[in-house]
Amino acid sequence: DTAVSQTPKYLVTQMGNDKSIKCEQNLGHDTMYWYKQDSKKFLKIMFSYNNKELIINETVPNRFSPKSPDKAHLNLHINSLELGDSAVYFCASSRAGLVSSEQYFGPGTRLTVT
Amino acid sequence: DAKTTQPNSMESNEEEPVHLPCNHSTISGTDYIHWYRQLPSQGPEYVIHGLTSNVNNRMASLAIAEDRKSSTLILHRATLRDAAVYYCILRDASNTGNQFYFGTGTSLTVIP
Repeated sequence: DTAVSQTPKYLVTQMGNDKSIKCEQNLGHDTMYWYKQDSKKFLKIMFSYNNKELIINETVPNRFSPKSPDKAHLNLHINSLELGDSAVYFCASSRAGLVSSEQYFGPGTRLTVT
Repeated sequence: DAKTTQPNSMESNEEEPVHLPCNHSTISGTDYIHWYRQLPSQGPEYVIHGLTSNVNNRMASLAIAEDRKSSTLILHRATLRDAAVYYCILRDASNTGNQFYFGTGTSLTVIP
């Protein structure tokens, strides 16, 4: 069983479109995250959710709106896509409240905006 | 979270041990040291973590300096599958979101 899954794996779209990326974890974790990895391979945290509530928003443009319908899902909706949004987006999860807890990452969604 | 410094790249021969260094001179007493790696075209995966004592698991060993200002990830016998970018990350108890702040990591090349 895949612990953290993301769909789609690849997403190619045009500027100005709206798209969503879905993430699901079957680990029973309370905390979920979205990370962005740019073309230079730099991984940066975007959002952190705990029990469906937003904990951290790392100065991400408000075109990005995460939505957590339940603890096992954290979806990322992006409005008015721009060229600079092209990147690989990783979802992750971990147990809540433990600074030592490990994070489990999904396989990533490669978004290409043309 | 405190910053870490790692070499950009390292090479190792297959089946030899690899020592990946990490400097974290501004580490605080509550910072955990985490190591993750990212294989090509995959998401990061957990390797090991520790606080003060050296740690061993099936993947690697973590040696932490006595003053905690540096640590070393040890792969006892490198295989081709260990070629990846290795990230050393600090995280402390005040980090309410539990998120990781990744640096640039060390790109490990394993030579057959």
